[in-house]
Amino acid sequence: TQLLEQSPQFLSIQEGENLTVYCNSSSVFSSLQWYRQEPGEGPVLLVTVVTGGEVKKLKRLTFQFGDARKDSSLHITAAQPGDTGLYLCAGASADSWGKLQFGAGTQVVVTP
Amino acid sequence: EPEVTQTPSHQVTQMGQEVILRCVPISNHLYFYWYRQILGQKVEFLVSFYNNEISEKSEIFDDQFSVERPDGSNFTLKIRSTKLEDSAMYFCASSEVSGGLSPQHFGDGTRLSIL
Repeated sequence: TQLLEQSPQFLSIQEGENLTVYCNSSSVFSSLQWYRQEPGEGPVLLVTVVTGGEVKKLKRLTFQFGDARKDSSLHITAAQPGDTGLYLCAGASADSWGKLQFGAGTQVVVTP
Repeated sequence: EPEVTQTPSHQVTQMGQEVILRCVPISNHLYFYWYRQILGQKVEFLVSFYNNEISEKSEIFDDQFSVERPDGSNFTLKIRSTKLEDSAMYFCASSEVSGGLSPQHFGDGTRLSIL
């Protein structure tokens, strides 16, 4: 089983600050997906990264896939209270039919 | 924007009873999945389904579990004889192509409570 480790587990920052969430594994993934989950709801897809070294931007969110496709990061610039939520990374391996291996998540709290 | 819909949102069942969880995937998607999330734990893969067959399943997906696509729109998960440890959020997801290359879109889940 490929394990995805997310760090930190919990992050509390003030509005306007920057933050970075990390997702690491010893295994190679064919793709990695970032989701955000609110309490009592399903994960909502933010982005999919496929190519090693790829960088994708979604407004104030920047996602990076490591060159070796084993790790990824999510950077939020000038965080806002609306960014509060549980951020999950999930990796798919090349030899599976789409099985996603999820990390435990990083709970982000942005206070005004 | 098209979305995955799941019913019911909450199911309460006595231990030993059968439950069927229902999902309507996004209409042009071909790959379907079930995941579960026990309270406070990671989202865990259960099964993937394509072309009316199971493509892959986890160790959790034992003989008590089955999936079916009874018509062109619904995708169901059946638990034959529920156990207390089956209590969890169950999420359905779908993707256009194999989920390794295509993003998976999730429903809001069914909260299953076994008494």
